[in-house]
Amino acid sequence: ETGVTQTPRHLVMGMTNKKSLKCEQHLGHNAMYWYKQSAKKPLELMFVYSLEERVENNSVPSRFSPECPNSSHLFLHLHTLQPEDSALYLCASSPGLAGAEQFFGPGTRLTVL
Amino acid sequence: QKEVEQDPGPLSVPEGAIVSLNCTYSNSAFQYFMWYRQYSRKGPELLMYTYSSGNKEDGRFTAQVDKSSKYISLFIRDSQPSDSATYLCAMSGAGGTSYGKLTFGQGTILTVHP
Repeated sequence: ETGVTQTPRHLVMGMTNKKSLKCEQHLGHNAMYWYKQSAKKPLELMFVYSLEERVENNSVPSRFSPECPNSSHLFLHLHTLQPEDSALYLCASSPGLAGAEQFFGPGTRLTVL
Repeated sequence: QKEVEQDPGPLSVPEGAIVSLNCTYSNSAFQYFMWYRQYSRKGPELLMYTYSSGNKEDGRFTAQVDKSSKYISLFIRDSQPSDSATYLCAMSGAGGTSYGKLTFGQGTILTVHP
């Protein structure tokens, strides 16, 4: 595996389900990110982790819960989502935080019924 | 007013044309400027990365940053059908609370037809 990988690629869940998205980076980077991409809207930064420590929580509802067990893995735990949470969820990583270019995974297409 | 403005298009050009994509921004603290290309059903792919003002060229792609006008551009020479994608501009500041925070434009949908 190379770059940034995400699983699953597609996910359909009901509003009462609990599911998790997984991201893994194979680049030796120290920072990881979750973004939400909705149609006709700019990418929205959700969470930033640096060396497994959360440094940014961009006013995201508590039904989204991130976890970063080590610098290579990032999870997004989902529970009691709403239909408006349907979107493409993208994970990214960068060497560090300061001005560093970010490399994205392919995303998970989430549909909430 | 949005921090970053980008015309969503769509933009349609014939193969071989020169394409000009632009973003304007309002935050004078932005120091790092990026262009990403995103194909349908894929994640964004980093195309160009520049710091502060100036030009940067990479093959058929040229990125320009004019900080005095708060304006950035991406030029694609000899455009190909394989360049058809959504192009996203992104930028970030140099420190403080801007660490790790990229602000994106909405993206411009480009189609290059044979």
